[in-house]
Amino acid sequence: GAVVSQHPSRVICKSGTSVKIECRSLDFQATTMFWYRQFPKKSLMLMATSNEGSKATYEQGVEKDKFLINHASLTLSTLTVTSAHPEDSSFYICSALREYEQYFGPGTRLTVT
Amino acid sequence: GQNIDQPTEMTATEGAIVQINCTYQTSGFNGLFWYQQHAGEAPTFLSYNVLDGLEEKGRFSSFLSRSKGYSYLLLKELQMKDSASYLCAVKGQAGTALIFGKGTTLSVSS
Repeated sequence: GAVVSQHPSRVICKSGTSVKIECRSLDFQATTMFWYRQFPKKSLMLMATSNEGSKATYEQGVEKDKFLINHASLTLSTLTVTSAHPEDSSFYICSALREYEQYFGPGTRLTVT
Repeated sequence: GQNIDQPTEMTATEGAIVQINCTYQTSGFNGLFWYQQHAGEAPTFLSYNVLDGLEEKGRFSSFLSRSKGYSYLLLKELQMKDSASYLCAVKGQAGTALIFGKGTTLSVSS
């Protein structure tokens, strides 16, 4: 099966700092990866679509300057939360597209204090 | 616009059968997915329907009617470990991201 990893699994940072989350497809190449955010007891909300070698496509209401996405290789996409605030605390999940199916990473729990 | 509706919560007892419904309105349709998610974990894939009809996979079955914009997930012989959130998701245009419903929290009691 296809495996997607995320690092770190949990991170705590202070307000105003930036934090980077990595998403890797371990046994397949993914031209397209997706980033979702999930607040407690809520569903997954698509933040952006990350395409290797090109700029990410952001969903309406998601600030591209705050959530920087880089997809520099066919196996790695990164999401950087810049100048983090407590309201950015959430569960961030990446997903890599392989043929018709999306494979999800294990998620990253971000807590901003 | 895109809209995916499913009940917020359901309860059932061990050994019972439960059906979780999902209705959707999306621009384009390239398949409907069901995922299971336990608290604090990523969703895990349960089933995929792209044609009308029933797909059976062990204790879990999923049904799709494209003309009605309707799907259901059927869970048989419920176990306590089936207590989780069940997410209905639709792929609109090919190559685009799955759009998720708000999820149905299922509580299984003994």
